[in-house]
Amino acid sequence: LAKTTQPISMDSYEGQEVNITCSHNNIATNDYITWYQQFPSQGPRFIIQGYKTKVTNEVASLFIPADRKSSTLSLPRVSLSDTAVYYCLVGQYNFNKFYFGSGTKLNVKP
Amino acid sequence: GAGVSQSPSNKVTEKGKDVELRCDPISGHTALYWYRQSLGQGLEFLIYFQGNSAPDKSGLPSDRFSAERTGGSVSTLTIQRTQQEDSAVYLCATERDSSYNEQFFGPGTRLTVL
Repeated sequence: LAKTTQPISMDSYEGQEVNITCSHNNIATNDYITWYQQFPSQGPRFIIQGYKTKVTNEVASLFIPADRKSSTLSLPRVSLSDTAVYYCLVGQYNFNKFYFGSGTKLNVKP
Repeated sequence: GAGVSQSPSNKVTEKGKDVELRCDPISGHTALYWYRQSLGQGLEFLIYFQGNSAPDKSGLPSDRFSAERTGGSVSTLTIQRTQQEDSAVYLCATERDSSYNEQFFGPGTRLTVL
């Protein structure tokens, strides 16, 4: 089961771009990489998912190098409301096992 | 309903008692997951259902934990003879199906074992 490693915390300022990297050295061929956002006292919320290369949606971009041993979540122009914990999830869909790392606590300052 | 609901939202129990946690999925979602989150920690995967079937129960922390799902809808997580280390937030998530790749989480049940 692929484990993930993320920085424990990061600080940023409003309007900056934030990049959070997750390491998953043992990622398997069938694993997808998914990022979730969690606010206090709430369940996690899906942000973005990818398998390889780059994925972009309305809130974030996900960069995955060719070896897939890491991934980087990019949040453009963060605001105070982006202060949350961000989790990198590596999992085998249809294989029933998922691993959430300990998450990265992002603190956006004014 | 509009989202995943869980009940109760908070549960305080005494050590040794049994507790039952409930998850109501989004209508039509066939995949259902249970996770546990201890204070300040990440999410620990417990079990997954596709329909009523849980192919792999090895993620459950001990044989005091069991889960079932009936009618492809509501799921219950039961913890027997609760211990203080069982104190955590128990989160349920559902997906349209296991290949759709986006889990929708409920608000969780905060369990406190005294």
